[in-house]
Amino acid sequence: AQSVTQLGSHVSVSEGALVLLRCNYSSSVPPYLFWYVQYPNQGLQLLLKYTTGATLVKGINGFEAEFKKSETSFHLTKPSAHMSDAAEYFCAVSETGGFKTIFGAGTRLFVKA
Amino acid sequence: EAGVVQSPRYKIIEKKQPVAFWCNPISGHNTLYWYRQNLGQGPELLIRYENEEAVDDSQLPKDRFSAERLKGVDSTLKIQPAELGDSAVYLCASSQGARTDYGYTFGSGTRLTVV
Repeated sequence: AQSVTQLGSHVSVSEGALVLLRCNYSSSVPPYLFWYVQYPNQGLQLLLKYTTGATLVKGINGFEAEFKKSETSFHLTKPSAHMSDAAEYFCAVSETGGFKTIFGAGTRLFVKA
Repeated sequence: EAGVVQSPRYKIIEKKQPVAFWCNPISGHNTLYWYRQNLGQGPELLIRYENEEAVDDSQLPKDRFSAERLKGVDSTLKIQPAELGDSAVYLCASSQGARTDYGYTFGSGTRLTVV
């Protein structure tokens, strides 16, 4: 069985500060890992994904995430937060070559001016 | 390119009443998903379609929920009768292929409130 744990339901940062959203997963097989972003009253949008190859993955809007197998983590980072980054972020996992994605509970990011 | 379109955006109904949600996926996306997102939680899969076939409906409460995807394009999710615990956002998503590495494109969802 697979599961995702997002540490911190709410994260608050100042504009221009580093964004770090934490995600740990559990999987008995090599995983695919994803980050999705959800802006208010909108559906989820794929931010980035890790399937195979390079463990540092770059996504849209300046976000990136690093797959660390030894730590079973896939934390999301952005060097400098912008007000427009305020949203809810979901980490997700699936089996390699699998058909089902399991989502975490989400982390709401607040950006202070 | 139009995204995944869902309607209605909001629905308020009394318990025991029926309700239906509609989804139009991205053109050419053969895989379609219905997810339910409860307040403060991540989406949970209800049903997955490959073309017009429901290939994974193991999480769909079949006593009150039903879904169809006629002609492998649009899909409808129905609840009859609705219960208070069904209040949630119902999200439709589509994908180019069945495997998860394609990623999903989600619609804006239908927020259901059962009173």
